[in-house]
Amino acid sequence: DAGVIQSPRHEVTEMGQEVTLRCKPISGHDYLFWYRQTMMRGLELLIYFNNNVPIDDSGMPEDRFSAKMPNASFSTLKIQPSEPRDSAVYFCASSFSKGAQPQHFGDGTRLSIL
Amino acid sequence: AQRVTQPEKLLSVFKGAPVELKCNYSYSGSPELFWYVQYSRQRLQLLLRHISRESIKGFTADLNKGETSFHLKKPFAQEEDSAMYYCALSPMYSGGGADGLTFGKGTHLIIQP
Repeated sequence: DAGVIQSPRHEVTEMGQEVTLRCKPISGHDYLFWYRQTMMRGLELLIYFNNNVPIDDSGMPEDRFSAKMPNASFSTLKIQPSEPRDSAVYFCASSFSKGAQPQHFGDGTRLSIL
Repeated sequence: AQRVTQPEKLLSVFKGAPVELKCNYSYSGSPELFWYVQYSRQRLQLLLRHISRESIKGFTADLNKGETSFHLKKPFAQEEDSAMYYCALSPMYSGGGADGLTFGKGTHLIIQP
């Protein structure tokens, strides 16, 4: 298994543009998590899904952020419109609920908003 | 609300010396504690978790509920241990299920030759 796959690895765009980050979880995992990492705030949970249903989105900073999971093998995190303060590394992670298995992380997407 | 505190942003020790990375937490329920590690240019990966009571790469960590701590220790540091280390907490679910992780800010461990 290639693990959790995120794309793109790097994204540079101008403020005001729409940004879409993508994640493919490990096959068979029923939980998917989105985290954001910044120097100031460290790693923060944004939202997570169970069986494609959003369970907790209390970490989503603003209405400009939205996340979807249309099927068990794909999720997106969208920022519209983007702002410079959204610049961060965004991580996706997945896990399997049985036996409280640990989360497996992707390589992250490094986002820079100019 | 839960919180994880890693008081040291940076820890530098010499090869062969003992290492202790501190982690304290606050949580009203039953926590599950983890240590994640991120080596240079690699993804974040699980190092160990308290319920496993394992020793991974010579590292151990004991959950001390009285002191609300989960310090990571290794008796003899090796150069390949240089990395970012994150302590993380999740509510404990006995019957399965999961929750998002609350992370500490991380400690950058540097092992000098």
